[in-house]
Amino acid sequence: AQSVTQLGSHVSVSEGALVLLRCNYSSSVPPYLFWYVQYPNQGLQLLLKYTTGATLVKGINGFEAEFKKSETSFHLTKPSAHMSDAAEYFCAVTGANSKLTFGKGITLSVRP
Amino acid sequence: ETGVTQTPRHLVMGMTNKKSLKCEQHLGHNAMYWYKQSAKKPLELMFVYNFKEQTENNSVPSRFSPECPNSSHLFLHLHTLQPEDSALYLCASSPTPGTYGYTFGSGTRLTVV
Repeated sequence: AQSVTQLGSHVSVSEGALVLLRCNYSSSVPPYLFWYVQYPNQGLQLLLKYTTGATLVKGINGFEAEFKKSETSFHLTKPSAHMSDAAEYFCAVTGANSKLTFGKGITLSVRP
Repeated sequence: ETGVTQTPRHLVMGMTNKKSLKCEQHLGHNAMYWYKQSAKKPLELMFVYNFKEQTENNSVPSRFSPECPNSSHLFLHLHTLQPEDSALYLCASSPTPGTYGYTFGSGTRLTVV
């Protein structure tokens, strides 16, 4: 079984500031990890994913995430926030041949 | 365009109406999913289909009736809904259940009046 914890419901940063969205997971099998972004009234769009190999993965729009097995974490970062990054972000985990389990999501606001 | 198309984008229906939501993908995926997304609540997985067969029903009320005629199409038939059923309904697909992540459609915003 898998689960995802995204602490807090809202993060606010200034434009140009570092974005850090936290995700911790639990999994009884080697995890595959994902970050999705959802803009208002849209579906979820895949930002990046970790399956195997390099633990630092780069995604679209300048985002990246690092898989840390010892910390059971997969935090999402972006060096410099842009106004267009304001959205809701979901972390998700799955194992081989099992369905995706989502966190509750976190809303990112970007202040001018 | 993500490869998963949902229609209609918006739907307003009365509690006694019957309507259907449609989802279509031509990504060659074998698994398809319906999710419900309500305000301030986590994503709720409703149904899972794999190779046209329903493999999961997460205690969804019978007023929601899914149909998967082939691996490319998924429907959600709606009948005598309640106002609390108002939500964004998302369809997703994947090559197989899990593992590779899902491709989502843009959703249908349903309002029950």
